[in-house]
Amino acid sequence: GQNIDQPTEMTATEGAIVQINCTYQTSGFNGLFWYQQHAGEAPTFLSYNVLDGLEEKGRFSSFLSRSKGYSYLLLKELQMKDSASYLCAVRENDYKLSFGAGTTVTVRA
Amino acid sequence: SAVISQKPSRDICQRGTSLTIQCQVDSQVTMMFWYRQQPGQSLTLIATANQGSEATYESGFVIDKFPISRPNLTFSTLTVSNMSPEDSSIYLCSVAARGGSYEQYFGPGTRLTVT
Repeated sequence: GQNIDQPTEMTATEGAIVQINCTYQTSGFNGLFWYQQHAGEAPTFLSYNVLDGLEEKGRFSSFLSRSKGYSYLLLKELQMKDSASYLCAVRENDYKLSFGAGTTVTVRA
Repeated sequence: SAVISQKPSRDICQRGTSLTIQCQVDSQVTMMFWYRQQPGQSLTLIATANQGSEATYESGFVIDKFPISRPNLTFSTLTVSNMSPEDSSIYLCSVAARGGSYEQYFGPGTRLTVT
């Protein structure tokens, strides 16, 4: 099975940077995903890491260390619209996703 | 990216009844999944919908309660049977393409309330 941990809540100021950490313990690994979910909406895909290192996509970056079972999502130049839940998910070898509990990020003016 | 639609978007149902949720994708995809998101919680995988054969259920979910069909590569249904208030949740369809794009997408979800 999967054990995926991420912080419950984080608060940051508009324009700042926030880093959301995710640690995992899995029997199989075929990639790590980050999703953004606004209240009442479906998750939307943000990033995917399968090799170690940093993937940058605009204001969002995601990092993976497979040996440490660790990933983070970095949100830069925070905007009010970034207030949402951020979900870390690990894909097992058979393409199923297992999700962490999610991190609620609140951006303050 | 795949465009996924679900019907209905929401429903309020009485205890003991059943509801069938439809998922339609705009392109052929290999993998289709059904997830549940209970209020204030993260997503839990219910089952993998297999084309032309029985779905593969996760621990805690059974076919009698959540029968699933997948007649082709672009369509699937999930039925929530003999509903109770504990089934009140958002049900989401998800798709992925094996061996191709690594991305996995979610439909808009069906918000179910059981009274």
